Amino acid sequence: DAGVTQSPTHLIKTRGQHVTLRCSPISGHKSVSWYQQVLGQGPQFIFQYYEKEERGRGNFPDRFSARQFPNYSSELNVNALLLGDSALYLCASSWLGLGEPQHFGDGTRLSIL
Amino acid sequence: AQKVTQAQTEISVVEKEDVTLDCVYETRDTTYYLFWYKQPPSGELVFLIRRNSFDEQNEISGRYSWNFQKSTSSFNFTITASQVVDSAVYFCALGETGANSKLTFGKGITLSVRP
Repeated sequence: DAGVTQSPTHLIKTRGQHVTLRCSPISGHKSVSWYQQVLGQGPQFIFQYYEKEERGRGNFPDRFSARQFPNYSSELNVNALLLGDSALYLCASSWLGLGEPQHFGDGTRLSIL
Repeated sequence: AQKVTQAQTEISVVEKEDVTLDCVYETRDTTYYLFWYKQPPSGELVFLIRRNSFDEQNEISGRYSWNFQKSTSSFNFTITASQVVDSAVYFCALGETGANSKLTFGKGITLSVRP
């Protein structure tokens, strides 16, 4: 079975632009979470979605938004990009999103120039 | 607030040595989950182990073992007979219970296993 897939793998943007990152969960998984990992740090929780509803939101500005589609795939959108948004963005999926292990994708590496 | 501290930043060992990675956590919740993840250079976080807060039984799984002590809020992870392929960054994470599965990660420990 395919694991969590994310696209694109790499992305270069300039300040002020907008970006959309995509994630397909493992088949059968209904929960998708997004994390931001800055170089040298652990991942930071951004959002969790379950059955298209937002279940949790981390301490990120309103420039960050996400949604989940009926097929459980998800998009993370970031507006008005800042240099500090440069990071590895990780998507994780799990069955119900209630404490069971989350399975991560390879991530999208976003570089802001 | 949830917090995970991994005081060790880098560890270097020679192949076949045992190595223990330390993790200390803070939470006000009475029930929670603890995890260890491995991140090889490719970037993907690989799930290793999970522990529930109400189960302090320590176990061994292959070359991996863990020591969960609620009294000291510690969840240490040991690799026995380390191999070069174990070289990676290891993260300890604290998971909430309830309506979501937010994970709070530590800063990670870079493990280098030399041949």
